[in-house]
Amino acid sequence: DSGVTQTPKHLITATGQRVTLRCSPRSGDLSVYWYQQSLDQGLQFLIQYYNGEERAKGNILERFSAQQFPDLHSELNLSSLELGDSALYFCASSPGLAGGRSDTQYFGPGTRLTVL
Amino acid sequence: DQQVKQNSPSLSVQEGRISILNCDYTNSMFDYFLWYKKYPAEGPTFLISISSIKDKNEDGRFTVFLNKSAKHLSLHIVPSQPGDSAVYFCAARSTGTASKLTFGTGTRLQVTL
Repeated sequence: DSGVTQTPKHLITATGQRVTLRCSPRSGDLSVYWYQQSLDQGLQFLIQYYNGEERAKGNILERFSAQQFPDLHSELNLSSLELGDSALYFCASSPGLAGGRSDTQYFGPGTRLTVL
Repeated sequence: DQQVKQNSPSLSVQEGRISILNCDYTNSMFDYFLWYKKYPAEGPTFLISISSIKDKNEDGRFTVFLNKSAKHLSLHIVPSQPGDSAVYFCAARSTGTASKLTFGTGTRLQVTL
């Protein structure tokens, strides 16, 4: 158990809908990351938050947005869903140490999103 | 553009033998490398990492080797155990990009009895 929790575990929805994925980081971790894993692909970095502020952005679609709240949990919002958005979405957290080099990321169990 | 490549999608090894998983990268700015293991229906689990200032890092049965000139790293598991059967992801990071990790597509390791 990494200490990172994600809800829900599974989500099935229709095209055009909007969903919210939730992540609670490990106790004490300030950084939260979101990754997307499509079928047979590696994990693709979407976005990072550090202590409530956006720190880095990857290839995140404009239809997707995220935020980190004062209690450090994070939510990833996916809107106008398309079939191609079906994927595993992972959240990771890290202490957010200065320098960043050895700031190991610990992953949650993921949310499997299916868009029909 | 796949900056981190794991060219072997699968590998089968007998229990007790050595497993060698390979990873190549193209971005010379990468200076920190990690290996994660992933079981079905679980998130990736951190295994071992190596900084670009080293060429080897060892942790129990797991050793990672880094060849910077060849832009190649490998994970050695000795001896391999059935519980090691999982998908292994190589990931890389460069200091200038905060903590963003770039992942390979993974190698599925099967350790047989």
